[in-house]
Amino acid sequence: DTAVSQTPKYLVTQMGNDKSIKCEQNLGHDTMYWYKQDSKKFLKIMFSYNNKELIINETVPNRFSPKSPDKAHLNLHINSLELGDSAVYFCASAWRGGGEQFFGPGTRLTVL
Amino acid sequence: GQSLEQPSEVTAVEGAIVQINCTYQTSGFYGLSWYQQHDGGAPTFLSYNALDGLEETGRFSSFLSRSDSYGYLLLQELQMKDSASYFCAAGGANAGKSTFGDGTTLTVKP
Repeated sequence: DTAVSQTPKYLVTQMGNDKSIKCEQNLGHDTMYWYKQDSKKFLKIMFSYNNKELIINETVPNRFSPKSPDKAHLNLHINSLELGDSAVYFCASAWRGGGEQFFGPGTRLTVL
Repeated sequence: GQSLEQPSEVTAVEGAIVQINCTYQTSGFYGLSWYQQHDGGAPTFLSYNALDGLEETGRFSSFLSRSDSYGYLLLQELQMKDSASYFCAAGGANAGKSTFGDGTTLTVKP
C-alpha cells in the first residue's frame, strides 16, 4: 500500500484555470504538508495542517487554498493559475514533533 | 525565521567518503533531518538528529552540534546510485514547520 499518494501525477493546464491536487496518507500521521519545488529544485513549505487545523501558511498567495476534510487528507486548490505556478507540488505527512516526513510522489503542474 | 546553508554541489568517486555540511539559523530549533532526492523522484528520509552527536544508519551517518548550529551528513563507500540531491531540513519547536536547505547535488564518478 502506498503510504502517501497524490493525484494527479501530471497536470497541464492553461493560465487562468482552476485546478485541484489531492493527497491522502494511510500512515495515521497527525500532520500533513504541501511543498512547492521549483525548477531550481528549491523545496519550500506552503502549508502545514495538524489534525485538520492549519498551523503554517507560508506567505502563499490566497489563490492557493488547502482543505483538510480529515486528518488523512489534504487537498490543494489553486485558482486563476499563473505561469509561475508551474512546479512540482509535494504532499508529505509526519507525526508532529517527529523529524521524519513521508513524501508523496509529487504532482508536476505545467501552466501554459 | 529559519535559514539553512549547504553546498550546492559535491563530486566524489565511487568508494570514497563525502561529507555534506549544513549550517542553520533558526528560531525554536527542534532537530535536523536529511533527505535524499533522485531526479524525477520524491524526497526520502535518511536521518534525523534531535540531540547532539552522531547517528549511524548503514553507510550514512548524520551529526549535529546545537552549540555550533551545524550538522553534516556523511556518506561512506559511495556508490553510483548515491548520485542525487541531498537536503537538510530544520524543524522548529512548533514542529509544524520544516525549512529545507537549497540542496546539495552529489555526483559520484566511477
